[in-house]
Amino acid sequence: EADIYQTPRYLVIGTGKKITLECSQTMGHDKMYWYQQDPGMELHLIHYSYGVNSTEKGDLSSESTVSRIRTEHFPLTLESARPSHTSQYLCASSRRADNEKLFFGSGTQLSVL
Amino acid sequence: GQQLNQSPQSMFIQEGEDVSMNCTSSSIFNTWLWYKQDPGEGPVLLIALYKAGELTSNGRLTAQFGITRKDSFLNISASIPSDVGIYFCAGQLYGNQFYFGTGTSLTVIP
Repeated sequence: EADIYQTPRYLVIGTGKKITLECSQTMGHDKMYWYQQDPGMELHLIHYSYGVNSTEKGDLSSESTVSRIRTEHFPLTLESARPSHTSQYLCASSRRADNEKLFFGSGTQLSVL
Repeated sequence: GQQLNQSPQSMFIQEGEDVSMNCTSSSIFNTWLWYKQDPGEGPVLLIALYKAGELTSNGRLTAQFGITRKDSFLNISASIPSDVGIYFCAGQLYGNQFYFGTGTSLTVIP
């Protein structure tokens, strides 16, 4: 059973607001990832981290930022939300040893009005 | 980024039928994975494949890593209602990032 948690599950906010999506895992995984997914579509990598103080941008350009100050915590922040940011955001983690096995959180469905 | 094409895009089948879906890429991968996503949840890993030609089973699920390393298929035997969901393939090259397929939506009619 994967122990990776995302909050909030659903978020509806107005344009221009600053938001932080939380992601925590209790498995001690080194690697963590943020994916963006539109309904029924493929997942696109927006950020990843190989460990504490390591963050990289993924293939999909994103106006969000991330931080990795603790192994278990990988929050994603949008400084000024826009309607184009409306999407599902999925956090995932993996061990360094078998990093092909991603464990996903339940996601945050973000709607920006 | 890489593009992984899955087919079919959607399937509507009767309970008890077998299901087959596949995933193709223009690039080679050294690891293929299959995930299932239930509505409102994150994907869950079903099967991981590590070698060209490898055939792996997980209960009623069977997946194969194509010889060319550019494709993979997933079969589900004797489908049941809880098989409903979206199935994603993913490819990975040498421990680097994953690329996910476009998904196959499966509906099982009781």
